[in-house]
Amino acid sequence: NAGVTQTPKFQVLKTGQSMTLQCAQDMNHNSMYWYRQDPGMGLRLIYYSASEGTTDKGEVPNGYNVSRLNKREFSLRLESAAPSQTSVYFCASSHPVRRSEQFFGPGTRLTVL
Amino acid sequence: DAKTTQPNSMESNEEEPVHLPCNHSTISGTDYIHWYRQLPSQGPEYVIHGLTSNVNNRMASLAIAEDRKSSTLILHRATLRDAAVYYCILRDVVQGAQKLVFGQGTRLTINP
Repeated sequence: NAGVTQTPKFQVLKTGQSMTLQCAQDMNHNSMYWYRQDPGMGLRLIYYSASEGTTDKGEVPNGYNVSRLNKREFSLRLESAAPSQTSVYFCASSHPVRRSEQFFGPGTRLTVL
Repeated sequence: DAKTTQPNSMESNEEEPVHLPCNHSTISGTDYIHWYRQLPSQGPEYVIHGLTSNVNNRMASLAIAEDRKSSTLILHRATLRDAAVYYCILRDVVQGAQKLVFGQGTRLTINP
């Protein structure tokens, strides 16, 4: 049982490049989330997916797109990366009924030059 | 989204109890109080949550004021592994998904 996995762990992009961050969970959770964390700050919600087939904007969605590929996988895409998107990105998932906690992945550290 | 207020930092000694306060004066009747912590270079991990009554689990205790406008996370015997940033969050649920709004949290330092 791996929990929440994220790939890649580290990435360096140039301004204007695109990339997709991958996230998968093996806990049969309905809901999945993408957060970003800037240095010295708390996490901010980018997008979330309450269930397979649905996605909604969070607090800071501009510059990002998401895809809920299936129940296990939720990807985050940066179409044209900007230096302001330099951050650590965390994926999380939660159980639909218990709703007691979110489980977080180890994060992807992204630098945009 | 409801907001919480926590001290920026706290310090304690190993094997002593730690009381981490949180104010949430705008809490609504259906908001659950959640605590997460984030160890260095890791994603956040769930610690405990509650609605009205005090709660205990293997990691910590949560004491909730009678008016629910404040709460305190209690680590009974701090260890060096408890050094982390602790976040107090009011959980909102939308269509089955939890919306967590993280503040800056309290950075807890444990002295040996």
